[in-house]
Amino acid sequence: QSVLTQPPSASGTPGQRVTISCSGSSSNIGSNIVNWYQQVPGTAPKLLMYSNNQRPSGVPDRFSGSKSGTSASLAISGLQSEDEADYYCAAWDDSLNGWLFGGGTKLTVL
Amino acid sequence: EVQLVESGGGLIQPGGSLRLSCAASGFTFSSYWMHWVRQAPGKGLVWVSRIKSDGSNTTYADSVKGRFTISRDNAKNTLYLQMNSLRAEDTAVYYCARATSGSMDVWGQGSTVTVSS
Repeated sequence: QSVLTQPPSASGTPGQRVTISCSGSSSNIGSNIVNWYQQVPGTAPKLLMYSNNQRPSGVPDRFSGSKSGTSASLAISGLQSEDEADYYCAAWDDSLNGWLFGGGTKLTVL
Repeated sequence: EVQLVESGGGLIQPGGSLRLSCAASGFTFSSYWMHWVRQAPGKGLVWVSRIKSDGSNTTYADSVKGRFTISRDNAKNTLYLQMNSLRAEDTAVYYCARATSGSMDVWGQGSTVTVSS
């Protein structure tokens, strides 16, 4: 069971804004950066957001990230059908001395 | 083009051993920490192990500690994962990933490991 907690599913219609949450603790999100990964089923994960709110080159500015205390969130505005994928948050955990991934959120574009 | 290509997966009996390889190209492999991440069928991502750029420092998830060994050959631009005493719960797609700025910015396509009798 993941120590980073994400909602298993989220949905929205094209053009809407959707937010995905990631809840952790003081040993992970509370003291380390958060990254987000996007995975289209059957393909490899792709880095979507790093250092809480930094977008890699090529990621549209419709995607934004934030962190507050022991929680983080990923927001997607202007939802598009191509955004349908699984989204994972990740953070280093000082107690486990390893990386943690959230359980993943399956985003459906209705 | 920056690329990671895994190989070495397959069907193996419980208790058996397997070595995965990850061939890197398009970047200076010896300058980067590297990771292994796995994903069981229908499940989420799970971090397995990481290794420092020069191979001098390694870290493992508790679930594989003592059974898996990560290593690298910088002269061959290749990352390895030696997996021993394999269990059914090790069945997964194994990805190698490059570490940058505290994230995993480049991923391979994955190699499938199935542990079954």
